[in-house]
Amino acid sequence: QKEVEQDPGPLSVPEGAIVSLNCTYSNSAFQYFMWYRQYSRKGPELLMYTYSSGNKEDGRFTAQVDKSSKYISLFIRDSQPSDSATYLCAMSVSPWNSGGSNYKLTFGKGTLLTVNP
Amino acid sequence: EAGVTQFPSHSVIEKGQTVTLRCDPISGHDNLYWYRRVMGKEIKFLLHFVKESKQDESGMPNNRFLAERTGGTYSTLKVQPAELEDSGVYFCASSQALAGETDTQYFGPGTRLTVL
Repeated sequence: QKEVEQDPGPLSVPEGAIVSLNCTYSNSAFQYFMWYRQYSRKGPELLMYTYSSGNKEDGRFTAQVDKSSKYISLFIRDSQPSDSATYLCAMSVSPWNSGGSNYKLTFGKGTLLTVNP
Repeated sequence: EAGVTQFPSHSVIEKGQTVTLRCDPISGHDNLYWYRRVMGKEIKFLLHFVKESKQDESGMPNNRFLAERTGGTYSTLKVQPAELEDSGVYFCASSQALAGETDTQYFGPGTRLTVL
């Protein structure tokens, strides 16, 4: 079983739609959860991170973590064509360098999102 | 401030040849990471430097891969001899996290390696 599962899509939505992206994980030691956005031919860019269960909001983006279900989500409100990209979930055991490999990132495969004007 | 840079952006080599990838981290970042994405798979961790020391190389696939970071600045990742399964995109990331601080890793654009 993969440590992180993410539906690769592709997902196509009209402009203005609410987008829901999800990942599940099996390693209960993961404590630090991130969403990265990757445009074509570019490197991943950090969008949001969170440590705890619950919601975290940043503008049009909301990250949600449910540790009991080992499930994380990213919601995009009022989606724009510029949001078209691959969205990657990533997680680690620790959010900081506590030695060893606790902070190495484990990624999902990424979901390709297209927002149509 | 310049981001993480990687060179070359794309490399095409034949099986058995040697290739060296270079990563220049963000200035002042002590932590440097290498990741790899093989086609159809997720991005996977290869190794981590703190300054010039390897802290974790648990993700290195085999001894054909050699990473160095002399002087604690830029890093190189050499593949010798390259095999077909080494094809993929190699990402470098860097961070400045100190002990107890959140480690935000900033990624470079990647080097696309194609082994024929």
